[in-house]
Amino acid sequence: GAGVSQSPSNKVTEKGKDVELRCDPISGHTALYWYRQRLGQGLEFLIYFQGNSAPDKSGLPSDRFSAERTGESVSTLTIQRTQQEDSAVYLCASSLGAGHGTEAFFGQGTRLTVV
Amino acid sequence: KQEVTQIPAALSVPEGENLVLNCSFTDSAIYNLQWFRQDPGKGLTSLLLIQSSQREQTSGRLNASLDKSSGRSTLYIAASQPGDSATYLCAVQSPPRLTFGEGTQLTVNP
Repeated sequence: GAGVSQSPSNKVTEKGKDVELRCDPISGHTALYWYRQRLGQGLEFLIYFQGNSAPDKSGLPSDRFSAERTGESVSTLTIQRTQQEDSAVYLCASSLGAGHGTEAFFGQGTRLTVV
Repeated sequence: KQEVTQIPAALSVPEGENLVLNCSFTDSAIYNLQWFRQDPGKGLTSLLLIQSSQREQTSGRLNASLDKSSGRSTLYIAASQPGDSATYLCAVQSPPRLTFGEGTQLTVNP
């Protein structure tokens, strides 16, 4: 597609349920990032994928969070046993790679509300 | 650990003014610096990318500079318009991640 696509755009879930968020990167982009943005706050790094290398998971806040990516395609971010503090906008970005001069492009985000 | 700071946190100006937004970072070993715009409830729109070997980039009324050795970047907006109202974020790429500042919330009043 023309840009980074995220789905769903909005998700309301009950506390304790699992949710899965999807990111379709720009075709040919080997690098993919997930960020979390709580209301009124900055972007918090979650995880980074680069091609077939082992992902950088150092930003995941707890073991309830996990992410998968197969090759250079779609990525899914899964949050298990959701808590109210998980409410945020989850943003995905992709770029050609982690090398010099690689511009990152963001999707519109998934707004997650845990009630 | 890379830290990015943006000053001011908020800025309100009358239409037509030229303005400067500031970004500083603690680790100069960066690949590039990128300025983004975020409108309320929306994702991020890339404005300018400056590679580590570059000093500045221009796009229309926007000009971004980079002084890597001192860990600073500025975004200059000429002849501001109400449509420029948004939050402006800078991000540095210190491989592999992008580290963001907290943003400057800009309001341009008609």
